[in-house]
Amino acid sequence: QKEVEQDPGPLSVPEGAIVSLNCTYSNSAFQYFMWYRQYSRKGPELLMYTYSSGNKEDGRFTAQVDKSSKYISLFIRDSQPSDSATYLCAMSGTGTYKYIFGTGTRLKVLA
Amino acid sequence: KAGVTQTPRYLIKTRGQQVTLSCSPISGHRSVSWYQQTPGQGLQFLFEYFSETQRNKGNFPGRFSGRQFSNSRSEMNVSTLELGDSALYLCASSPTSGGTETQYFGPGTRLLVL
Repeated sequence: QKEVEQDPGPLSVPEGAIVSLNCTYSNSAFQYFMWYRQYSRKGPELLMYTYSSGNKEDGRFTAQVDKSSKYISLFIRDSQPSDSATYLCAMSGTGTYKYIFGTGTRLKVLA
Repeated sequence: KAGVTQTPRYLIKTRGQQVTLSCSPISGHRSVSWYQQTPGQGLQFLFEYFSETQRNKGNFPGRFSGRQFSNSRSEMNVSTLELGDSALYLCASSPTSGGTETQYFGPGTRLLVL
């Protein structure tokens, strides 16, 4: 079993839709959770960074962490064609010295 | 602040050759990690350097090696290239080591092995 599981998609939604992206994980030591956006042929760009359980909002993006279920989500409101990219979840724990990434979900927002 | 920079951006090599990739972290960041990204495997951790010391290593053969200099710049070397080494190699920097701070990625070096 992989430490982090992420649905690869692709996920196609119409412009303006609410998008939900998810990851599950198995290591209860993970405490730091990140979402990255990666455009084609570019490096990943940090979108959200959260510590432990709870919600964090930044503009149209909301990150949610449920440590009891080992489940994290990224919600995108009012999705735009410019949101079309691959979204990667990542996580780490204190003293692990490494970050574990999901395989990424490809999102396409149709105009 | 300038972001993470990687050179070269694109590289074509033949099997059996060796290659060296370079990464300059964000100013003040002392940790540099390297990843290999392929369509089938996603982002796979290669190794992390902090203060010129390798802190952690992923499951890659010894053909993959790295080092970090006193100014935190890092290089990655792949010897005896194989076709399967074709990938996007990403460098990421963070202020400290230990997995408690987020990483910032460079644009990557796209390596094609023929």
